[in-house]
Amino acid sequence: DGGITQSPKYLFRKEGQNVTLSCEQNLNHDAMYWYRQDPGQGLRLIYYSQIVNDFQKGDIAEGYSVSREKKESFPLTVTSAQKNPTAFYLCASSIGLVYEQFFGPGTRLTVL
Amino acid sequence: GENVEQHPSTLSVQEGDSAVIKCTYSDSASNYFPWYKQELGKRPQLIIDIRSNVGEKKDQRIAVTLNKTAKHFSLHITETQPEDSAVYFCAATGGRDDKIIFGKGTRLHILP
Repeated sequence: DGGITQSPKYLFRKEGQNVTLSCEQNLNHDAMYWYRQDPGQGLRLIYYSQIVNDFQKGDIAEGYSVSREKKESFPLTVTSAQKNPTAFYLCASSIGLVYEQFFGPGTRLTVL
Repeated sequence: GENVEQHPSTLSVQEGDSAVIKCTYSDSASNYFPWYKQELGKRPQLIIDIRSNVGEKKDQRIAVTLNKTAKHFSLHITETQPEDSAVYFCAATGGRDDKIIFGKGTRLHILP
């Protein structure tokens, strides 16, 4: 079954703790992305990666970190430096930067 | 960097009527303009896209037009149906910094 998956669906963390969100794809896509979705704010790009071992900051990268050690995986770490981390996080992948993106089901993070 | 403005933020149309959503972008080098539909509780999915070498593209009841000179593009949905109710996002990419930028979304309500 091909696709892009995110885990977990819901995540709760205490303030001050780092948390890592998982994103895996078996579509053989080179490009992967992380977005944050807040009501009325659309999809805001956090980080993106065009190829393994390379990634670029999006518009709201502060307080987040990523790695791209494998083509299939693009985990996002929400650090304690992120001032307002409670949000819905979407991962996506595509064959290249100017092609259709396929989105995962999302992870809803709540920081208590 | 690129900036994308999307209007209106909310749109209500009678079932069977047409709906138009408009977006403007700032980076004249952008060359790929996708539209995504996000139904309640689901992930965004591409419904149509257009590249800068084309002025219009149609797919059944959906069409997108692009005016490169004015730097705006529009989504047209004809003969609207209840299943068209969703949030629609426009995006622009392929510009000078390669980042994709999404509009803030339009919530479309189809009235019975």
